[in-house]
Amino acid sequence: DAKTTQPTSMDCAEGRAANLPCNHSTISGNEYVYWYRQIHSQGPQYIIHGLKNNETNEMASLIITEDRKSSTLILPHATLRDTAVYYCIVSPMDSSYKLIFGSGTRLLVRP
Amino acid sequence: DVKVTQSSRYLVKRTGEKVFLECVQDMDHENMFWYRQDPGLGLRLIYFSYDVKMKEKGDIPEGYSVSREKKERFSLILESASTNQTSMYLCASRNSGSGLNTGELFFGEGSRLTVL
Repeated sequence: DAKTTQPTSMDCAEGRAANLPCNHSTISGNEYVYWYRQIHSQGPQYIIHGLKNNETNEMASLIITEDRKSSTLILPHATLRDTAVYYCIVSPMDSSYKLIFGSGTRLLVRP
Repeated sequence: DVKVTQSSRYLVKRTGEKVFLECVQDMDHENMFWYRQDPGLGLRLIYFSYDVKMKEKGDIPEGYSVSREKKERFSLILESASTNQTSMYLCASRNSGSGLNTGELFFGEGSRLTVL
């Protein structure tokens, strides 16, 4: 069973920030938060991961609350190509291949 | 760009046929994985390999076998295809080196197999 809860769907306007929340209230101390996305009919794509500090890369930012029970993925300037299903996963790093995807959030970026 | 390449995007096979799905990665990764993805069931791990000639069963290995003769190539074999193996098959790879292991998985585009 997935250990995360995400909204089923969200939308945002092109060029605006997309903020995708994830609840993981039962996260363990050694578990990381990983985000992947999947564009229709393609393989999942890694976005970012973090343990307790906020992280940023060229694709997105990850904000993790101090108690680590929730996190937010931020796409700072969403484009139409960011329309996808976004999955939040918690896992120890060494077993991160056990991708227990929940339902994910279907993000629609509107023109 | 780093790349995981799956040999076929779409295949149609008949029940009882032997099916080979090939996956090649150019990142010198030690670990490689095969998943299948079905609506409502998410990704399920079939087999994985820590290194050349090493293989481990995942959650649903029945009806499948794998081969890893070279580091860059990981093959999934359906000895006798059945209709319940109609699915999207995804290959992935990951670096496992100490200090380099981010846990990040790199996926191929997927192979959609239909068994009639």
